[in-house]
Amino acid sequence: QKEVEQDPGPLSVPEGAIVSLNCTYSNSAFQYFMWYRQYSRKGPELLMYTYSSGNKEDGRFTAQVDKSSKYISLFIRDSQPSDSATYLCAMGASNTGKLIFGQGTTLQVKP
Amino acid sequence: IAGITQAPTSQILAAGRRMTLRCTQDMRHNAMYWYRQDLGLGLRLIHYSNTAGTTGKGEVPDGYSVSRANTDDFPLTLASAVPSQTSVYFCASSAGFTTDTQYFGPGTRLTVL
Repeated sequence: QKEVEQDPGPLSVPEGAIVSLNCTYSNSAFQYFMWYRQYSRKGPELLMYTYSSGNKEDGRFTAQVDKSSKYISLFIRDSQPSDSATYLCAMGASNTGKLIFGQGTTLQVKP
Repeated sequence: IAGITQAPTSQILAAGRRMTLRCTQDMRHNAMYWYRQDLGLGLRLIHYSNTAGTTGKGEVPDGYSVSRANTDDFPLTLASAVPSQTSVYFCASSAGFTTDTQYFGPGTRLTVL
């Protein structure tokens, strides 16, 4: 079993839809959680960062962490064609300094 | 412009050849990382360095070596390339080696024939 599981998709939605992206993990030591966005043939860029459990909102993006269920989510409201990309979850424990990445979910938002 | 640069952008290499992928950052970050990205497998850590002069092994280190002679540069060397090393390679850096955000370079596409 992989430490971090992420549905690779692809996920196709119409413009304006609410998108939900999810990851599950098995290591209870993970304390910080990130979502990266990666456009085609580009490097990943940080989208959201959350430490421990709870919600964090930034514009149209909301990150949720449920440590009791070992489950994290990224919600995108009013999705735009420019949101079309691969979304990678990543998580780590402060005592290792290393990030573990999910496989990435490819999202396409159709105009 | 501050950030991470990688070279070359892409390379086709014959099996058995030696190859060094270059990575330079100008953010004065202490920690640097090399990942490979393969379809269906996501990003996997090859080697890392938490500060200049020290390096460590990641999840998939075999066939690769790194050095960290100074803060800014972190080259990745394939001593004798094999086809299974065909991948997209990303260099990343972070201010510290614990919970800090990692910033990624644009990547190097390597094909080993």
